[in-house]
Amino acid sequence: QLQLQESGSTLVKPSQPLSLTCTVSGFSITSAGSSWAWIRQPPGQALEFIGYIDQSGTTFHNPALKSRVTISVDTSKSQFSLRLSSVTAADTAVYYCARGPPLSPWGQGTLVTVTS
Amino acid sequence: DIVMTQSPLSLPVTPGEPATISCRSSQSLLDRNGNIFLDWYLQKPGQSPQLLIFLGSNRASGVPDRFSGSGSGTDFTLKISRVEAEDVGVYYCMQALQTPLTFGGGTKVEIK
Repeated sequence: QLQLQESGSTLVKPSQPLSLTCTVSGFSITSAGSSWAWIRQPPGQALEFIGYIDQSGTTFHNPALKSRVTISVDTSKSQFSLRLSSVTAADTAVYYCARGPPLSPWGQGTLVTVTS
Repeated sequence: DIVMTQSPLSLPVTPGEPATISCRSSQSLLDRNGNIFLDWYLQKPGQSPQLLIFLGSNRASGVPDRFSGSGSGTDFTLKISRVEAEDVGVYYCMQALQTPLTFGGGTKVEIK
């Protein structure tokens, strides 16, 4: 059964980069047609798409985040990663990883707080 | 970006009664192959979102048949034929026609 688990820094200082990893288990990360996505949810707010990487390694990210987003895959570790540079308090959110779109399943999410 | 607008914001429901959530997109979600790139998700309290419906009307694996999705072009509907207590949470529509993928603001379903 496909499962995803986020891990990484949960407290980040302003202007520093945020780094998260999603570990994929029960499924091959290189499976044909699979894309791997990151979504976030600020406290009490709606979901926001961050980006995803497709099977060919092409990445699609939210222009609202400008060029701060980097998504990559490490097939040897069955992981994919998110790096968000130059964070501010507005980047405080629960960060989810998911397969897709369509987005399923989702990881349990990890709260990242930007604070000095 | 495609803007997704949901209504209502809040929906009190009685168990056993039907419920309907609407979602409107700022442009058509129909592609040239006739696919509708509209998904529905449910975020139960304290949980991660889960996929309910994909491509407009296809139930995801394990989703009860009391959930159905319909619509075309820019107007979409999620219907619950008979609400159960376990259906409470926030429902989101999401367009997957183009990036950035965009979500509606959510509809909170709660038991009366």
